[in-house]
Amino acid sequence: DAGVIQSPRHEVTEMGQEVTLRCKPISGHDYLFWYRQTMMRGLELLIYFNNNVPIDDSGMPEDRFSAKMPNASFSTLKIQPSEPRDSAVYFCASNRAQTDTQYFGPGTRLTVL
Amino acid sequence: QKEVEQDPGPLSVPEGAIVSLNCTYSNSAFQYFMWYRQYSRKGPELLMYTYSSGNKEDGRFTAQVDKSSKYISLFIRDSQPSDSATYLCAMSVEKLTFGTGTRLTIIP
Repeated sequence: DAGVIQSPRHEVTEMGQEVTLRCKPISGHDYLFWYRQTMMRGLELLIYFNNNVPIDDSGMPEDRFSAKMPNASFSTLKIQPSEPRDSAVYFCASNRAQTDTQYFGPGTRLTVL
Repeated sequence: QKEVEQDPGPLSVPEGAIVSLNCTYSNSAFQYFMWYRQYSRKGPELLMYTYSSGNKEDGRFTAQVDKSSKYISLFIRDSQPSDSATYLCAMSVEKLTFGTGTRLTIIP
């Protein structure tokens, strides 16, 4: 299995621009998670899906952030408009059941100038 | 106060030493306890998983959970340079809550 796939691996953009991060979970995994990691706050859960349906988006910082999962093999996290404080590493993870091991992707390193 | 507290380090120890990493938590509802290892510029990967108080051993690694004290530990015996990474504790009821991670360096 290829594992969780994320793209792009690095993104540098200017404040105010729209950013779209992409994730392909492991085939057969029903849960998909989006996390953000910073030095100050560590790894924070933003939102998670079960069978393509958003279950808990309480970690989404504000309305500038949105996430979709149109099918079982693809999810996007969008930031519009982006701000410098959004600079972080964004991870996608997936698993078969809620309490199972989560498998993380390699992350997208976002820099907003 | 954060739900999960973890000393960020950094922690540097000589090769072969015993390493102790610790986390405390405030939510008594947490049922599952995990340790993840994260190498530089990589995603976290599961190292140890337990759901009860007591010790769990896997090779050179031992995870310890004390629910009465709300305290978990990870011990690494005979530490190797390849153990150099950031170690994240995590715990859950329905969703994972992570500590901020401890950066560990094993000096050859």
